[in-house]
Amino acid sequence: GAVVSQHPSWVICKSGTSVKIECRSLDFQATTMFWYRQFPKQSLMLMATSNEGSKATYEQGVEKDKFLINHASLTLSTLTVTSAHPEDSSFYICSARRGGSDTGELFFGEGSRLTVL
Amino acid sequence: GEDVEQSLFLSVREGDSSVINCTYTDSSSTYLYWYKQEPGAGLQLLTYIFSNMDMKQDQRLTVLLNKKDKHLSLRIADTQTGDSAIYFCAPNTGGFKTIFGAGTRLFVKA
Repeated sequence: GAVVSQHPSWVICKSGTSVKIECRSLDFQATTMFWYRQFPKQSLMLMATSNEGSKATYEQGVEKDKFLINHASLTLSTLTVTSAHPEDSSFYICSARRGGSDTGELFFGEGSRLTVL
Repeated sequence: GEDVEQSLFLSVREGDSSVINCTYTDSSSTYLYWYKQEPGAGLQLLTYIFSNMDMKQDQRLTVLLNKKDKHLSLRIADTQTGDSAIYFCAPNTGGFKTIFGAGTRLFVKA
């Protein structure tokens, strides 16, 4: 089956620093990737849709200057949390849709837990 | 906008059947998915149903779809402790947007 890998799986950083999270599709080309944020015991909140070679589409209320998304290739999208603060601490999950998929199935990464001190 | 509702908790005894229900608002959903999330992990696709079907069975899993009422359910037969997880109902609204319910936390008591 299709595999999506996220890195790092967890990161602790100081307030004010920037953190980059990578999402890779290992065995398929992902024309579209999605970034979610999940708070404890809550559902996934879609943050943005990342399309290869174009600007990401952000959901309402998500600061695009705060959460920088780059989808430079068909297998890699990155999320950079800039000038992170404790309220940015969360579980970030990416998903990818395989190009040409007719079911729209999403393949999820394992998630990246960010803790900002 | 689109909305997906699920009950938050379900507790069953090992060996019993579990039924997780979901209602959604977008009638244009073409594929409706069930995802499973174990603690501290990403989501894995359990099963899905196409909107022109009303039932799909896959081993211990049975998905029922009532398109008229926009109601989706997931039945897990012979529930095991390893089935304890959060289950998300996720209709695909067509195009690229998949909407997730809040998730149902399934507790399986030994």
